[in-house]
Amino acid sequence: QKEVEQNSGPLSVPEGAIASLNCTYSDRGSQSFFWYRQYSGKSPELIMSIYSNGDKEDGRFTAQLNKASQYVSLLIRDSQPSDSATYLCAVNKNNYQLIWGAGTKLIIKP
Amino acid sequence: NAGVTQTPKFRILKIGQSMTLQCTQDMNHNYMYWYRQDPGMGLKLIYYSVGAGITDKGEVPNGYNVSRSTTEDFPLRLELAAPSQTSVYFCASSGTGPPYEQYFGPGTRLTVT
Repeated sequence: QKEVEQNSGPLSVPEGAIASLNCTYSDRGSQSFFWYRQYSGKSPELIMSIYSNGDKEDGRFTAQLNKASQYVSLLIRDSQPSDSATYLCAVNKNNYQLIWGAGTKLIIKP
Repeated sequence: NAGVTQTPKFRILKIGQSMTLQCTQDMNHNYMYWYRQDPGMGLKLIYYSVGAGITDKGEVPNGYNVSRSTTEDFPLRLELAAPSQTSVYFCASSGTGPPYEQYFGPGTRLTVT
């Protein structure tokens, strides 16, 4: 079992709809969880971090964490074509190392 | 603040050549990292450093070396380049305390032929 798993996609969502991206992890001791966005040919860019069970909202983005079920998700409301990118999930291994998922490719169709 | 900067942006090497990828951060971060990303794949950690003078291997260190003489700089050395080292290389940094968010440089696209 991979330590951090994501569906590779592509996930196709109509413009204006909600995009839902999921990530599961294997280490129950993980405390910090991160979502990054990576446009083609560019470097990963931090969208959100989450540490506590529940939801965390930032603009059109909501991160959801469920430690009991070992999953973290990212919801993107009112999806725009500019949201088309690969979304990387990362989970802390220790205080300074992250374990990365392979990413989910999201396509927003106008 | 420039954040994390990397040079060069692109490079083509012949098999057996060597080169150094430069990385500099101006956020006074103690932790720095080198990753490689192959097409359609996730990030693989090559080396990391928790402070000046301290470095350690990640998942895929073979064929690479690093040094960290200052807080700001973390160069990655490729010795005897091989086609398997064709990849995009990202440098990242993070602060000492929580939340340990990593911030990335723009990357270096390396081709070994």
